[in-house]
Amino acid sequence: GAGVSQSPRYKVAKRGQDVALRCDPISGHVSLFWYQQALGQGPEFLTYFQNEAQLDKSGLPSDRFFAERPEGSVSTLKIQRTQQEDSAVYLCASTGASTDTQYFGPGTRLTVL
Amino acid sequence: AQSVAQPEDQVNVAEGNPLTVKCTYSVSGNPYLFWYVQYPNRGLQFLLKYITGDNLVKGSYGFEAEFNKSQTSFHLKKPSALVSDSALYFCAVRGLINAGNNRKLIWGLGTSLAVNP
Repeated sequence: GAGVSQSPRYKVAKRGQDVALRCDPISGHVSLFWYQQALGQGPEFLTYFQNEAQLDKSGLPSDRFFAERPEGSVSTLKIQRTQQEDSAVYLCASTGASTDTQYFGPGTRLTVL
Repeated sequence: AQSVAQPEDQVNVAEGNPLTVKCTYSVSGNPYLFWYVQYPNRGLQFLLKYITGDNLVKGSYGFEAEFNKSQTSFHLKKPSALVSDSALYFCAVRGLINAGNNRKLIWGLGTSLAVNP
């Protein structure tokens, strides 16, 4: 049984580069969440999808951050013109229609130099 | 506003002793409360949750948590700690359900548990 997978696991980018982070949720899970976890901190909500609809993007820190889930399964978080403050672990979670438990992927650790 | 507090950055306990990791919350309406554990370089693993019903919730790996509405607390407990329990523990509460039925979680800062042999 596959859990939530994320790729790449590690990403190093030079300041100003664009990056794309991928999340494969558990099959059949309708809801998908992105969180940002800075070093020594708890996760912070970024955005949330129900199927392909992005219902809340209030946590995206700037217009450089963009997320999509065009077919209601795989999601991509894109960060344009990366800055050093974007360095963090980006966590993806999914949940099914009949449960409130969010299941997390291993995260993508982004380091911006 | 919704919030979660984990008042202890670190908890140290000897192997075999009981452990408690504290969590208090602030939320409008009935809370949905969660505990997750995070091992180094790994994602968050679900331990247990309280939605409704019995105030004592049992979860994975022998952990349990007690919901106390009057004290707005949801402390994580285990009767006998193992060295392998050493990890980072996060408490989370589900935020308000708005028109979009948002289920985002609001997180504490985490508590590092060290179990000493």
